[in-house]
Amino acid sequence: DQQVKQNSPSLSVQEGRISILNCDYTNSMFDYFLWYKKYPAEGPTFLISISSIKDKNEDGRFTVFLNKSAKHLSLHIVPSQPGDSAVYFCAASARGGSEKLVFGKGTKLTVNP
Amino acid sequence: ETGVTQTPRHLVMGMTNKKSLKCEQHLGHNAMYWYKQSAKKPLELMFVYSLEERVENNSVPSRFSPECPNSSHLFLHLHTLQPEDSALYLCASSHGTGANVLTFGAGSRLTVL
Repeated sequence: DQQVKQNSPSLSVQEGRISILNCDYTNSMFDYFLWYKKYPAEGPTFLISISSIKDKNEDGRFTVFLNKSAKHLSLHIVPSQPGDSAVYFCAASARGGSEKLVFGKGTKLTVNP
Repeated sequence: ETGVTQTPRHLVMGMTNKKSLKCEQHLGHNAMYWYKQSAKKPLELMFVYSLEERVENNSVPSRFSPECPNSSHLFLHLHTLQPEDSALYLCASSHGTGANVLTFGAGSRLTVL
């Protein structure tokens, strides 16, 4: 049973617009969440994280929102740039991040010029 | 070199072959991981090594045999694999285990004929 779900396999947006990538989780013990970005022929790279004590974390154009009651998090990219085109993985961990990461299947984002 | 380096980047092998994947990290990390990425599936954790000792084996078949001779090197020995083992194998490293930010290599694309 998948504990971390990214239900949209792909997303296409126009350059300059907002990209919203969604992630749902089922394990209520998860309390630390990360987003990774993966370009073709490269390994995933860490993008941004959030702890369950917060509901928002921002880093430049990237903001992650956490809704614990809905067991839902989202990654917002504003404004989107063609270089943001990649596969985005959501990952979660329990016990303040001390447990192993559980990944979603990923969402492929395409930002069109 | 910096970061996490994986070799070979591509490998084609028959079911009776024996081959090895190599991973090297130059980050001073003390934990190393093997992940498997199959098409349309989440990243699956296979093995975790902390301070050169295996701390996790995620029910991986014995035809996959990891080896960690020191904190900078990690191998995955492959023997009598099946076609369904064809996947991208990603190595990662971190400071400590758990959800500390992982640094991934670019992966080894394995095809089993």
